[in-house]
Amino acid sequence: AQSVAQPEDQVNVAEGNPLTVKCTYSVSGNPYLFWYVQYPNRGLQFLLKYITGDNLVKGSYGFEAEFNKSQTSFHLKKPSALVSDSALYFCAVRDLFRMDSSYKLIFGSGTRLLVRP
Amino acid sequence: NAGVTQTPKFQVLKTGQSMTLQCAQDMNHNSMYWYRQDPGMGLRLIYYSASEGTTDKGEVPNGYNVSRLNKREFSLRLESAAPSQTSVYFCASSEGQMRVYEQYFGPGTRLTVT
Repeated sequence: AQSVAQPEDQVNVAEGNPLTVKCTYSVSGNPYLFWYVQYPNRGLQFLLKYITGDNLVKGSYGFEAEFNKSQTSFHLKKPSALVSDSALYFCAVRDLFRMDSSYKLIFGSGTRLLVRP
Repeated sequence: NAGVTQTPKFQVLKTGQSMTLQCAQDMNHNSMYWYRQDPGMGLRLIYYSASEGTTDKGEVPNGYNVSRLNKREFSLRLESAAPSQTSVYFCASSEGQMRVYEQYFGPGTRLTVT
């Protein structure tokens, strides 16, 4: 079965510093990977996805993610953190749910990012 | 476009009561989903509808039923609420299943069962 793991419950960075939120995956076949962000009392918002091609994927709000097949990782990065980036971040992988080609997303447990001024 | 809307935003139920959570999307998406979010557990799929007229169980369907009323609307019903169903419920939609589409989420319903 496909799975993702987010090894850090919380990441703390200072505003202006680079940030990394880690995600590792376990899949059979080609991985289709996603990052979502959840601001307080809001639903999840799509940030970016990896399907194939370039290992560096660019997304919304200046975020990018690096796909590394040998390390089975898909870490989320941003060169310069903002206080407004403070939120809960979820990594997800698409999984074949049924043999009729229905798919579902499997989410990690989430990482809380706190950017201090 | 409102995107994905959910009602109500908050609800408190007593054990044994029933209620229906409503979800609608205006993006002409084919697929819709219901998730629950519990602390430290990410999101878990309750039910989904790959296309209008079809519904299927997800990972945690027990205690829930769904109705895909039309292409826009997908409701989740708790027939006899239990404290274990205290959670935040999210509806989501996507264009379909055959390509790698992202999902769009509603703002959530915070449900407390006492």
